[in-house]
Amino acid sequence: EAQVTQNPRYLITVTGKKLTVTCSQNMNHEYMSWYRQDPGLGLRQIYYSMNVEVTDKGDVPEGYKVSRKEKRNFPLILESPSPNQTSLYFCASSFSGPNEQYFGPGTRLTVT
Amino acid sequence: GENVEQHPSTLSVQEGDSAVIKCTYSDSASNYFPWYKQELGKRPQLIIDIRSNVGEKKDQRIAVTLNKTAKHFSLHITETQPEDSAVYFCAAGTSYDKVIFGPGTSLSVIP
Repeated sequence: EAQVTQNPRYLITVTGKKLTVTCSQNMNHEYMSWYRQDPGLGLRQIYYSMNVEVTDKGDVPEGYKVSRKEKRNFPLILESPSPNQTSLYFCASSFSGPNEQYFGPGTRLTVT
Repeated sequence: GENVEQHPSTLSVQEGDSAVIKCTYSDSASNYFPWYKQELGKRPQLIIDIRSNVGEKKDQRIAVTLNKTAKHFSLHITETQPEDSAVYFCAAGTSYDKVIFGPGTSLSVIP
């Protein structure tokens, strides 16, 4: 079954404790992206990757890191989470560019 | 950079009526305009998209129109059904780079 998976789905953590949210796709997609969703603000892009070892900043990259060592995986790293990073996070992938993106199920992160 | 506005933020229609959601964008280089539907508690899903070389596209009860000169595009849903109730997001950008999403429209279809 073609899918994008994210782990964990829910996470409550404390300020400053490093965390990683994993994203994996089994569709051999080149393009992968991370978004955060906050009420009234839509989906804002954090980082995206056009292919392995190629990553670029989206609109709200501050406080986040990513890596793309393998085509199927695109982890999101928060080195020192802060309460303003409390949000719903979505990973997405597509064959090429942001065309017809397929979204993962989302990760709800709470930073206290 | 690109900026996408979306109106209205909320929309209620009677079942069977039509719903129209409008978006404007700022970057004339944008050439790709997707629409996503997000049901409550679910992930966004692509419902239709249009590219800048096309003025209109239809898929059953859903249609999207694009006016490049005015930099706006719209989603039209005809014969609405309760299962159309969701948040709809428009987006604009380039097909090779990234898209910027609008803030969303919450559509309620009243049976």
